[in-house]
Parts: sequence; C-alpha cells; structure tokens
Amino acid sequence: GIQVEQSPPDLILQEGANSTLRCNFSDSVNNLQWFHQNPWGQLINLFYIPSGTKQNGRLSATTVATERYSLLYISSSQTTDSGVYFCAVVGGGSYIPTFGRGTSLIVHP
Amino acid sequence: GAVVSQHPSRVICKSGTSVKIECRSLDFQATTMFWYRQFPKQSLMLMATSNEGSKATYEQGVEKDKFLINHASLTLSTLTVTSAHPEDSSFYICSARDHRDSDNEQFFGPGTRLTVL
Repeated sequence: GIQVEQSPPDLILQEGANSTLRCNFSDSVNNLQWFHQNPWGQLINLFYIPSGTKQNGRLSATTVATERYSLLYISSSQTTDSGVYFCAVVGGGSYIPTFGRGTSLIVHP
Repeated sequence: GAVVSQHPSRVICKSGTSVKIECRSLDFQATTMFWYRQFPKQSLMLMATSNEGSKATYEQGVEKDKFLINHASLTLSTLTVTSAHPEDSSFYICSARDHRDSDNEQFFGPGTRLTVL
C-alpha cells in the first residue's frame, strides 16, 4: 500500500516562530488531508488539499502531487498550536486512508 | 464542515464487560465510516471500514468477534468492544465520508477514551 512519511517527528518552537511540516507519499493520491490533534485527542480538520495551495489564517498548505509531497506552513506560532499534526492520504488504487506518524509540535510561550 | 459525533467521550469499565461506542454523522449521510485505534504517542491505526447495510471489513490482525461493528443506518455506526480487557484500553476514533462527496474527504469524531480496569 501507499507509504506516508512525515517530518520532522518532533518540533519545538518559541511563540512567534514560523515552521514547515512535510508529508511525503509513495504513490499518486486523490485525497490528502492535514489534521491537528489537540492535547485532548480531538482531531481537527485543517485542510483538504490533494493538490494546489490553500490558506486559512496563519496556516497554509501546498501539495505538489507530481512530486509526491505536501507542506504545512505555520506562521507566527502560538501555544495553542501545540499538538500533533497528521497527514492522511487516499491513493495508490485504494480508497482506504493512510496516516503518517505525525509531527509533534510544542510551542513555548 | 460536516460534523461527526461520538458517544461516550470517555468510559471506564471493568475487565470482562462489553462497551459500545457510537459514531454519528450529524448533518450528512455516510455510506462509509472508519474506525481507528490510537495508542499513546502513536499514529492512528485503521481497525475496520464500516459500510451501511453490509458487513464491516476488518484490517489484518483485528479480531472481528472482539470488535463488533454495526452500521445500521446512513448516520450511525457502532463499535462494541466485547469482553474488554486492560490491553483494549485505548483512544478510539471514527470518521465518516459524505456519500455525495466524490473527493473522499473524511470528517472525524472527537474520539472515545476507553479505560479497562
């Protein structure tokens, strides 16, 4: 099946810093989503982005499907951005979603 | 966006009892729902795909008699952990797809934290 790799696995930032999270995938995809799991475990849908670029406030995402990667940008980070960011894809001939292992982000005040 | 609810949000039970977790799509119909399990500091592991009106499809290594899934309507899927044991303690999350959405975008429930004593 399709492989999904996220980097970095862990990230520690000072409040106000910018960061880029990466998601690589091994096959063509027809669905890619970024999620934020908050410290209480709830998964928040950030972007549905199988291709192209989207922005929502301080967050933006870009997927280059032909090169099989997606990037999540966080600007002016805040402590509430802390948590784990997951990339999930559907592709490679399957309709079953596959999650990456996530990037754990800690933002210090 | 679409809303998916889960109930209960957390449950503590004694070993040997059964626990039912509900997953509901509140403002859309979902022909397909997914059930995931997440251990601490790990990613989500897909347990099974639940299809309305038919038997669930279980991932390799997931005991179908242990984790009973029922998807009786387009807005409700249930996961029953039968004869629960401490090793079943975990965070269980469901997701649903709007059957009208050809993009296969998933919407997740808030999760259920199960603790088996």
